[in-house]
Amino acid sequence: DTGVSQDPRHKITKRGQNVTFRCDPISEHNRLYWYRQTLGQGPEFLTYFQNEAQLEKSRLLSDRFSAERPKGSFSTLEIQRTEQGDSAMYLCASSGRTTPLYEQYFGPGTRLTVT
Amino acid sequence: EDQVTQSPEALRLQEGESSSLNCSYTVSGLRGLFWYRQDPGKGPEFLFTLYSAGEEKEKERLKATLTKKESFLHITAPKPEDSATYLCAVPRGDTGNQFYFGTGTSLTVIP
Repeated sequence: DTGVSQDPRHKITKRGQNVTFRCDPISEHNRLYWYRQTLGQGPEFLTYFQNEAQLEKSRLLSDRFSAERPKGSFSTLEIQRTEQGDSAMYLCASSGRTTPLYEQYFGPGTRLTVT
Repeated sequence: EDQVTQSPEALRLQEGESSSLNCSYTVSGLRGLFWYRQDPGKGPEFLFTLYSAGEEKEKERLKATLTKKESFLHITAPKPEDSATYLCAVPRGDTGNQFYFGTGTSLTVIP
């Protein structure tokens, strides 16, 4: 399978704990995006990487959220001191040199439940 | 301000009953309108990109069209396996790297 992969698929954590999610984009894609989706809503943009550089971040992204993409390959999204409002599906998408501009391909998501 | 509005929120069709989903948008400088299908508990699956008014694209029972203010996703003779949430999105911001999604239309096709 050469699509976008995400790990874990599900995460249950207690309020106040830190969590980290991983995204592996399609191998030839140099652009990577993180989104958050709550029930009944469309995905909401969080952040964007081009290669290893984080170029855009949503104003809605609190300081408890941090993302990295070392060496321009996989990416991690960390949430510190989780809150119940962080419960959502976290989606990763990628695009790049082999896709039309702006076209994004999504992974299966990580479902986070904060108890 | 950029806006994407989808209607209806939910749609129930009998198998074989054709219909259309609407995506209205307000964005400065359209850089494309994107349609995705999303099954429960999964990530959005790319369907179509439309770049200019008058453009149409087809895939199996789905046909997407674009005007200057809205896009339609026409579903012809749907089958139960077409049941899903259909999302539209537009790139926004200075660079277009941020997708702005509508809230989706939840389609149920009854056998």
